[in-house]
Amino acid sequence: QVQLQQSGPRLVKPSQTLSLTCAISGDSVSNNIAAWNWIRQSPSRGLEWLGRTYYRSKWYNDYALSVKSRITVNPDTSKNQFSLQLNSVTPDDTAVYYCSREEGGIATGTFDPWGQGTLVTVSS
Amino acid sequence: QSALTQPPSASGSPGQSVTISCTGTNRDVGGYDYVSWFQQHPGKAPKLMLYEVRKRPSGVPDRFSGSKSGNTASLTVSGLQAEDEADYYCSSYAGSYNLVLFGGGTKLTVL
Repeated sequence: QVQLQQSGPRLVKPSQTLSLTCAISGDSVSNNIAAWNWIRQSPSRGLEWLGRTYYRSKWYNDYALSVKSRITVNPDTSKNQFSLQLNSVTPDDTAVYYCSREEGGIATGTFDPWGQGTLVTVSS
Repeated sequence: QSALTQPPSASGSPGQSVTISCTGTNRDVGGYDYVSWFQQHPGKAPKLMLYEVRKRPSGVPDRFSGSKSGNTASLTVSGLQAEDEADYYCSSYAGSYNLVLFGGGTKLTVL
């Protein structure tokens, strides 16, 4: 059974970098039929897919156009986890952030399971 | 790209059936059979209920079914039970750049 455990700061100051980590158990970040995603949820934006990393003989990333200039999703094979970095945050980035596995193909939306969610507040 | 369109609310009595729609365009819902549905109870993470329009993950009751016609996908919950009361979200593959779009969510109330 795959489980995802999120960690990271819950309060970030405006203009700084939001950083979260998602530790994987029961699967490998290098699994070549899965992709590892970050999704956020806020009252104003609803659910919003942010980006993913996946391994298909080499590492790939896909990012939502709305955050493409500010986001990095990286795998860490030594710790079997992946991370989210979102630069230059504003209060509009305040949201619950989730990590999730996607399988059965890229961008199929087969997000299962999800991490427990982390409420990140952007405030000075 | 805009979010997919869902009705904000839906309701039904125990034992009844209710259908929730998810409308997109021919560049997302209408163009691909990669529509998923998620159930979310308050304070919890979303849970995958259907994928590829109508497939159910292991453990999801067959009371949950999916379909698609043109640019609109639908989730039907039959034999409503109290525990089905939750928010439901759809998602769809959105073409280039391997994007995924979500719907705005529908709050299902079991009367």
